[in-house]
Amino acid sequence: GDSVTQMEGPVTLSEEACLTINCTYTATGYPSLFWYVQYPGEGLQLLLKATKADDKGSNKGFEATYRKETTSFHLEKGSVQVSDSAVYFCALGGAGKSTFGDGTTLTVKP
Amino acid sequence: EAGVVQSPRYKIIEKKQPVAFWCNPISGHNTLYWYRQNLGQGPELLIRYENEEAVDDSQLPKDRFSAERLKGVDSTLKIQPAELGDSAVYLCASRTTGMNTEAFFGQGTRLTVV
Repeated sequence: GDSVTQMEGPVTLSEEACLTINCTYTATGYPSLFWYVQYPGEGLQLLLKATKADDKGSNKGFEATYRKETTSFHLEKGSVQVSDSAVYFCALGGAGKSTFGDGTTLTVKP
Repeated sequence: EAGVVQSPRYKIIEKKQPVAFWCNPISGHNTLYWYRQNLGQGPELLIRYENEEAVDDSQLPKDRFSAERLKGVDSTLKIQPAELGDSAVYLCASRTTGMNTEAFFGQGTRLTVV
């Protein structure tokens, strides 16, 4: 079945450092790929998405590129802020189903 | 526009007691999901509705869990009787019909079974 594997956390960075959170997937067909973010005490919210190979999703300075050849969708940000501290979930979906990774906790220190 | 609304936010019950969670999806969203999120893990699908029809309930433990979405809008998830291992956050999400639309999540109900 479909599955998503995220790099294990937690990740702790200093403000303005570069961020990469790795995500790889296994799926049949051509799913859409998503990154969701969960801030403390809140529900999951969509951060960005890509619907086909080589698409790049971007939002709030975060980017991820749908790489079919490596079945990856790594999340990147060039300069993180304290307010980016949250749990990040990679997910794949299509035709109504969504499969989530286990999440990566990011803590950004001033 | 209001988002997905869930209630209650928190619930503490003794094992073997029943519990129910309520979800009001975003207006016009035909698809509704219930997920369970254990601590330190991602959400796991329990059931998916298309309007009032449960189209995927393969992961719902049917011996103790039940769900309904009678008019294709609000939904209720019930556990009877609850077990210690049911302690988790129960998330409701909704989306419009379409291959690439994203799901919108409620804040969840944190259930603690003691």
